[in-house]
Amino acid sequence: GDSVTQMEGPVTLSEEAFLTINCTYTATGYPSLFWYVQYPGEGLQLLLKATKADDKGSNKGFEATYRKETTSFHLEKGSVQVSDSAVYFCALIRTYNFNKFYFGSGTKLNVKP
Amino acid sequence: SQTIHQWPATLVQPVGSPLSLECTVEGTSNPNLYWYRQAAGRGLQLLFYSVGIGQISSEVPQNLSASRPQDRQFILSSKKLLLSDSGFYLCAWNPMGGLTGEQYFGPGTRLTVT
Repeated sequence: GDSVTQMEGPVTLSEEAFLTINCTYTATGYPSLFWYVQYPGEGLQLLLKATKADDKGSNKGFEATYRKETTSFHLEKGSVQVSDSAVYFCALIRTYNFNKFYFGSGTKLNVKP
Repeated sequence: SQTIHQWPATLVQPVGSPLSLECTVEGTSNPNLYWYRQAAGRGLQLLFYSVGIGQISSEVPQNLSASRPQDRQFILSSKKLLLSDSGFYLCAWNPMGGLTGEQYFGPGTRLTVT
């Protein structure tokens, strides 16, 4: 079945460090891929998305490229800030079934000043 | 613009008591609606989803139930809470037939069962 696997957290970085959070997926067909962010005590917010292979999603300095050959959608940011501390979720949805979203287990990011 | 509301924001309930969490969406019609649970330090678990009034699909058998009495209202219920029901409950929606499928989440309800 469809699934998403994320790297285990927490990830602790110093401010201005480079961030990579790995995400790989298993799905038949051509899923759409997403990164969501959850700040403490809040719901999830869409961070970025990509709907087809080789698409690059980007927002707020974060980016991720849909790699079909490696079934990956790794999240990157060149210089993290303390305000980026949150839990990040990778997710997929198959383009022909909008009723079911598959989320990874989440990766907690802690950025220290 | 569309907004999604959940209430209550926090809830502390004793074991064996009933539960009712409410979610409403404004500014759209015929949304797909979803209930997720997030246990402490864990990922999201899809509990229920609905594609229309009275249409509920259950993902995980448990002592919870869901109902959709109106187009933009989604209710999560339990007759008798268990300790394991503690968690952060998130409601989400996406537009029916949306091309990219992204979901929009409510602010969540923090449930503590004592």
